[in-house]
Amino acid sequence: AQKITQTQPGMFVQEKEAVTLDCTYDTSDPSYGLFWYKQPSSGEMIFLIYQGSYDQQNATEGRYSLNFQKARKSANLVISASQLGDSAMYFCAMREGKRNYGQNFVFGPGTRLSVLP
Amino acid sequence: DTGVSQDPRHKITKRGQNVTFRCDPISEHNRLYWYRQTLGQGPEFLTYFQNEAQLEKSRLLSDRFSAERPKGSFSTLEIQRTEQGDSAMYLCASSLESVDEQYFGPGTRLTVT
Repeated sequence: AQKITQTQPGMFVQEKEAVTLDCTYDTSDPSYGLFWYKQPSSGEMIFLIYQGSYDQQNATEGRYSLNFQKARKSANLVISASQLGDSAMYFCAMREGKRNYGQNFVFGPGTRLSVLP
Repeated sequence: DTGVSQDPRHKITKRGQNVTFRCDPISEHNRLYWYRQTLGQGPEFLTYFQNEAQLEKSRLLSDRFSAERPKGSFSTLEIQRTEQGDSAMYLCASSLESVDEQYFGPGTRLTVT
């Protein structure tokens, strides 16, 4: 079974508008972490935002926020005020297990975001 | 801080040959990770080190793959008897033990002919 599901292979958004990229996850481990990474066409993975399973509040980093709905096992990325430079592949990922113990990292298949001028 | 570096950036090899890749993490990072990414897919976790200890290995890492981090600084990933299915981008990342943010290198693109 897929541990990370990203149901939108491609998304389009108009410049300056907000966009939500969907991510659902599957784990039975009570301790886990959720990440979003951006991969531009240059290929390098860029960390965007992190949410721990025990964090009470949704994570935010500048224009990025993570809409964490634990009961639904959903961790959607919201990008506000889209910019042309936001065009890239976006990957949702999960760390299972506690940070200081044996861990497993799983990435989703990605969503390609295209920002239109 | 020069970031995570990987060498070589590209490698073309013939099936059956051995290849070795190197990763230099950010200097104060004690955790180092290896991933493999094929075209159109997300990265697949291969293994990770904390200092020189290899703490986790994915089932994806067959016996032909071996990774080392002898002094807890740089790491090498060796693939023996390469197969065409090994063609992929091999990504290295590093992090501090106390945080979850991983910094990725530019990757080594392997092509097996």
